[in-house]
Amino acid sequence: QQQVKQSPQSLIVQKGGISIINCAYENTAFDYFPWYQQFPGKGPALLIAIRPDVSEKKEGRFTISFNKSAKQFSLHIMDSQPGDSATYFCAARTTDKLIFGTGTRLQVFP
Amino acid sequence: NAGVTQTPKFQVLKTGQSMTLQCAQDMNHEYMSWYRQDPGMGLRLIHYSVGAGITDQGEVPNGYNVSRSTTEDFPLRLLSAAPSQTSVYFCASKRGVGKNTEAFFGQGTRLTVV
Repeated sequence: QQQVKQSPQSLIVQKGGISIINCAYENTAFDYFPWYQQFPGKGPALLIAIRPDVSEKKEGRFTISFNKSAKQFSLHIMDSQPGDSATYFCAARTTDKLIFGTGTRLQVFP
Repeated sequence: NAGVTQTPKFQVLKTGQSMTLQCAQDMNHEYMSWYRQDPGMGLRLIHYSVGAGITDQGEVPNGYNVSRSTTEDFPLRLLSAAPSQTSVYFCASKRGVGKNTEAFFGQGTRLTVV
C-alpha cells in the first residue's frame, strides 16, 4: 500500500509553462512534506519543503501548496525551463521514516 | 566535503550470492537510511538507523540486513541475492533524529541479479 500517492507519473510541459505535480496521503502522523529533485544518474536532492501548519511556501519559481483538510499537497513550477527536466518525488515524514511517492518524470521542451 | 559516499557504483551478482553495499558519510549525521528505487515504485525505505548500534526496519526490509557500528558507516547486506533485488540502491543521511532536516543522498549503486 502506497502511503504517499503521487500523480501524474509523467509530465510534458513547454518552456515557460506551469508544471503541477500532486500528492496525497492518509497518515495524519506525517508532519513534514519535502519535495526532492533527481537528475539521471544522481541521487535525489532536496528542492523545497513545507510543514502542515503552513498552506503555501514559495522559493523562486517553486511553490508548494498544502491542503491539510484534504490531505493533499502539490508542487508548482512556474516558468518551467528545460533545466527543470528531472524526476520529482514528494515525500512525507513521520517519526524517523521519510516515505516517498512514486515520482513524476518532468520533461520541459524548448 | 565528500558527503554521502556509496560503493560500488555498479554490481552484477548471480542468484544466491551475497554482497555488501557500502555507505559512508562524513557529516557526523546521526540518522542514516537505505532506499531502493524501482521504475513506477519510487523510493522505498529498506532499513534505517538513528545512531550507532540502533537499526530498524523500513517498508521493504525482507532479504536485507544492516548494522551500524560507527556513526559514519551503514552497510547494507544481501545474504542470498534474488532477481527481485535488482534495483538502484540509495543511502541517505541527515542531521538530527525526529527533526525536519534535509536528507542527503549518495550517488546510488545499480545492482543487477542474474
